[in-house]
Amino acid sequence: DTGVSQNPRHKITKRGQNVTFRCDPISEHNRLYWYRQTLGQGPEFLTYFQNEAQLEKSRLLSDRFSAERPKGSFSTLEIQRTEQGDSAMYLCASSPIYEQYFGPGTRLTVT
Amino acid sequence: GNSVTQMEGPVTLSEEAFLTINCTYTATGYPSLFWYVQYPGEGLQLLLKATKADDKGSNKGFEATYRKETTSFHLEKGSVQVSDSAVYFCALSDQGNTGNQFYFGTGTSLTVIP
Repeated sequence: DTGVSQNPRHKITKRGQNVTFRCDPISEHNRLYWYRQTLGQGPEFLTYFQNEAQLEKSRLLSDRFSAERPKGSFSTLEIQRTEQGDSAMYLCASSPIYEQYFGPGTRLTVT
Repeated sequence: GNSVTQMEGPVTLSEEAFLTINCTYTATGYPSLFWYVQYPGEGLQLLLKATKADDKGSNKGFEATYRKETTSFHLEKGSVQVSDSAVYFCALSDQGNTGNQFYFGTGTSLTVIP
């Protein structure tokens, strides 16, 4: 399978805990995006990497959120001190030029 | 700024009915336009795309034409199947200062009944 993969697929955590998600993009794509999707809404842009450089961050990405893409390959999204409002689907997408290819997402539930 | 407005759902159709899901956009530049489909419990899948005005994207019987004069990219299918039941998202991609920004509509849920 050469698509975008994300791990874990589901994460349940208690409020205040830290969580980390991983995204493995399609290998030849140098652009990688993170989105958050809540029920009944479209994906909302969080941040974007071109190779290892983080080029843009949404104002949705508070100080508790951090993303990395070491060596321009996989990426991680960490949420510190989780809050109930962080419960959502976190989607990763990679892109060659125009279109984006999405992974299956990580569903986060904060209790 | 950039934005996408989609027809609100949910939409329920009988099998073999004609489908239209309306999408209009606002963009500052010359965007590319996309339709994505999301099946329950899965990520978004690219359904079709159009990168310039008057282009028609098509895939799996679905079509959409990039209309610059009406800033629209309506999704159509002549005969829907039960397997088409999913949420459909219209999106635009605009070349910002640092790369392609994507803007999604809120999605339209389609249910096709036998």
